[in-house]
Amino acid sequence: GAGVSQTPSNKVTEKGKYVELRCDPISGHTALYWYRQSLGQGPEFLIYFQGTGAADDSGLPNDRFFAVRPEGSVSTLKIQRTERGDSAVYLCASSRGNQETQYFGPGTRLLVL
Amino acid sequence: EDQVTQSPEALRLQEGESSSLNCSYTVSGLRGLFWYRQDPGKGPEFLFTLYSAGEEKEKERLKATLTKKESFLHITAPKPEDSATYLCAVLDVFDSGGGADGLTFGKGTHLIIQP
Repeated sequence: GAGVSQTPSNKVTEKGKYVELRCDPISGHTALYWYRQSLGQGPEFLIYFQGTGAADDSGLPNDRFFAVRPEGSVSTLKIQRTERGDSAVYLCASSRGNQETQYFGPGTRLLVL
Repeated sequence: EDQVTQSPEALRLQEGESSSLNCSYTVSGLRGLFWYRQDPGKGPEFLFTLYSAGEEKEKERLKATLTKKESFLHITAPKPEDSATYLCAVLDVFDSGGGADGLTFGKGTHLIIQP
């Protein structure tokens, strides 16, 4: 079956702009995660959804970052007033349930100029 | 706070030369230890989950093992297509107050297999 998909694959924006990154999880997976990966580093946890609710948003770096999952499937990560330090690969993962194996999408490469 | 340290950072092997990658970890309570493979420009691809000390899993030329403090990914007679970055991650069963539901990753081992 289809894996996790993410759009866009690449996004270039200017400092101060607003961006939205989309994640489509594996069908039937109730848990969805966002991570951020900088060059040469492992992914860092941002936020976890169980169904429609954000069960753990402790990894979000500040209040410029926000994520939603209104119908318990597709999720959108929103970044306001982007900064150059936000440049990274944003990865989405899904799993059947909490604390089960997570399957990752291809990522969105965000570059803030 | 959960911690994962992978070594070496980079490893270059000749085709057919077996070796092992190390993942040392610290968690309050281990729910699972995960190995992923990541190719340049791609997302991490799941390889193995290990749940308890003494557990081993194999897939083709790869074998993962787990102790109470570390995990090893053994690569037997590797081929050039095994070249990738191998990531280790842990999931903590306890709510440590930060990211308990997310994986904690190491920085990875960049493996190059030369023909």
